[in-house]
Amino acid sequence: DVKVTQSSRYLVKRTGEKVFLECVQDMDHENMFWYRQDPGLGLRLIYFSYDVKMKEKGDIPEGYSVSREKKERFSLILESASTNQTSMYLCASSRVAGGGNTIYFGEGSWLTVV
Amino acid sequence: GENVEQHPSTLSVQEGDSAVIKCTYSDSASNYFPWYKQELGKGPQLIIDIRSNVGEKKDQRIAVTLNKTAKHFSLHITETQPEDSAVYFCAASGGGNQFYFGTGTSLTVIP
Repeated sequence: DVKVTQSSRYLVKRTGEKVFLECVQDMDHENMFWYRQDPGLGLRLIYFSYDVKMKEKGDIPEGYSVSREKKERFSLILESASTNQTSMYLCASSRVAGGGNTIYFGEGSWLTVV
Repeated sequence: GENVEQHPSTLSVQEGDSAVIKCTYSDSASNYFPWYKQELGKGPQLIIDIRSNVGEKKDQRIAVTLNKTAKHFSLHITETQPEDSAVYFCAASGGGNQFYFGTGTSLTVIP
């Protein structure tokens, strides 16, 4: 089975702190994604990466950056956390595009910024 | 880009009844349509998917139908059980790397 692991499930950070959310997948997938999930807004794409060191902005990249130094690992970075970044963050991975390649999600990271 | 709309946003059914969730999409290039179930405090899990060359797919109590002409697809859950209570998301994907998600349907099955 595909496994996407988000190392931190629950975090509480202070405003202005730098926050790292780590994600690892074990299926050699080319694509990795970071989504933010808020009630009533569904899943919103922050960034995705289709290869090592490659990244593309999603719908809401402001205030976030990402890092993909190894194929299996994709990190989301909040340079200076703000209260409006309190949310659930979901990491996901999939094989390269072409249609029919399922996206698999991790269990989510609940971030509270105080 | 693609736009996926999902209805209804909330749905309550009696145990044993059927539940239907509908999604529409805008990009005719989309050719893969997965459905996800998200239980409280967990990440979305794939429950069923359908490709554009198929009109219907069934897996036990769950079925998905696709109408490419009308650009809509639906999830059908029969003989609902309390453990079916969750949030369900539809998605569409085409030739690009991205997946486009509906805003979710919160299904409650009343015992």
